[in-house]
Amino acid sequence: DTEVTQTPKHLVMGMTNKKSLKCEQHMGHRAMYWYKQKAKKPPELMFVYSYEKLSINESVPSRFSPECPNSSLLNLHLHALQPEDSALYLCASSQSQGPNTGELFFGEGSRLTVL
Amino acid sequence: DAKTTQPNSMESNEEEPVHLPCNHSTISGTDYIHWYRQLPSQGPEYVIHGLTSNVNNRMASLAIAEDRKSSTLILHRATLRDAAVYYCILRLYENTGNQFYFGTGTSLTVIP
Repeated sequence: DTEVTQTPKHLVMGMTNKKSLKCEQHMGHRAMYWYKQKAKKPPELMFVYSYEKLSINESVPSRFSPECPNSSLLNLHLHALQPEDSALYLCASSQSQGPNTGELFFGEGSRLTVL
Repeated sequence: DAKTTQPNSMESNEEEPVHLPCNHSTISGTDYIHWYRQLPSQGPEYVIHGLTSNVNNRMASLAIAEDRKSSTLILHRATLRDAAVYYCILRLYENTGNQFYFGTGTSLTVIP
């Protein structure tokens, strides 16, 4: 199984809603990542988890709250978002966070629209 | 942060080789060079990566300059399915772990 699965594929939410994005992988990878991608722009790194601990937060606003309940699962909790947060949210995983880790495996993304 | 620069767009005829350049003048000695591609409405897909030596795999070849300040992704025979945005990425390793930073990407059009 070499897949990263993201749910939901599409999400529409109001600015007062609370919702979550989910990411799952069963490759035994110990590093997981959240990226944000606006239209026609490259993905921007948001968070990195290594061995279920948050290792990198790229100064992301607190209305985005990541969670890694176990080594296979990564969540992104969303609260009080703004319309400019509308984007494609991509999850990725890699074997480890060591210096010799290989490539990233990406999911297909969750497309978020904030009204 | 180390950064990469790429041409915004390139065109190639089908079944001809394609050379996609990338500049990364601020690269440090431990930064790996990765290439990914992204088809419309999909997540990025790994293509190839390397540190110092040229690399080949079933998808492509990666040529790395001797000073490592630039690299070139080579698709040996472009097909219509190769039309995508190609991203050159530096993988930084620090004690907090790996950080993969995407460049601006090159949109490749393959002409039948």
